[in-house]
Amino acid sequence: DAGVTQSPTHLIKTRGQQVTLRCSPKSGHDTVSWYQQALGQGPQFIFQYYEEEERQRGNFPDRFSGHQFPNYSSELNVNALLLGDSALYLCASSPRLQGSSTDTQYFGPGTRLTVL
Amino acid sequence: LAKTTQPISMDSYEGQEVNITCSHNNIATNDYITWYQQFPSQGPRFIIQGYKTKVTNEVASLFIPADRKSSTLSLPRVSLSDTAVYYCLVGVRAGTASKLTFGTGTRLQVTL
Repeated sequence: DAGVTQSPTHLIKTRGQQVTLRCSPKSGHDTVSWYQQALGQGPQFIFQYYEEEERQRGNFPDRFSGHQFPNYSSELNVNALLLGDSALYLCASSPRLQGSSTDTQYFGPGTRLTVL
Repeated sequence: LAKTTQPISMDSYEGQEVNITCSHNNIATNDYITWYQQFPSQGPRFIIQGYKTKVTNEVASLFIPADRKSSTLSLPRVSLSDTAVYYCLVGVRAGTASKLTFGTGTRLQVTL
């Protein structure tokens, strides 16, 4: 049983470009959350998707958008990249057993984005 | 939003018990408290989750007081491989909703 998978593992972009990161949840999970982790910092919550809708959002600008597909996989899109967007982007999936946004989340290995 | 705070770092010798506390004054009523372990350049790894009182699994215990404004992760008999950063994750009240918020993280260094 595969865990949470993310692609690509590494990515290099230049300022102003757009990027799409992908996440496949753990089997049996229907909720996907995205986090940004800058070097030496803790993860910061971006948003959470359930039933193909954004259910909760952190303090991130509209340049950050997402999508969840019928098979529960998800994409994170970032437009007009800034140098400060360089970070490890983490995807987490969870089963919506308890109806809480903090249902146990399992994390993928992350995508390392570098913006030059 | 009130910050979810942890001690920046802790040192321990191998074989000792380590207790790491997370302060979350503004925790949302219905949300759980989860603790994760993270190694460099890897995703956080689930350790334990609880709502109130005490929870124990094969690797750790989690103590949550009645007011749920803090929680303590207890690692019995740590080993060198437990050297990592530990985070709590809670839902913090934000109006009528809650925001998923990681604690500030505690860097645990275990030595012989």
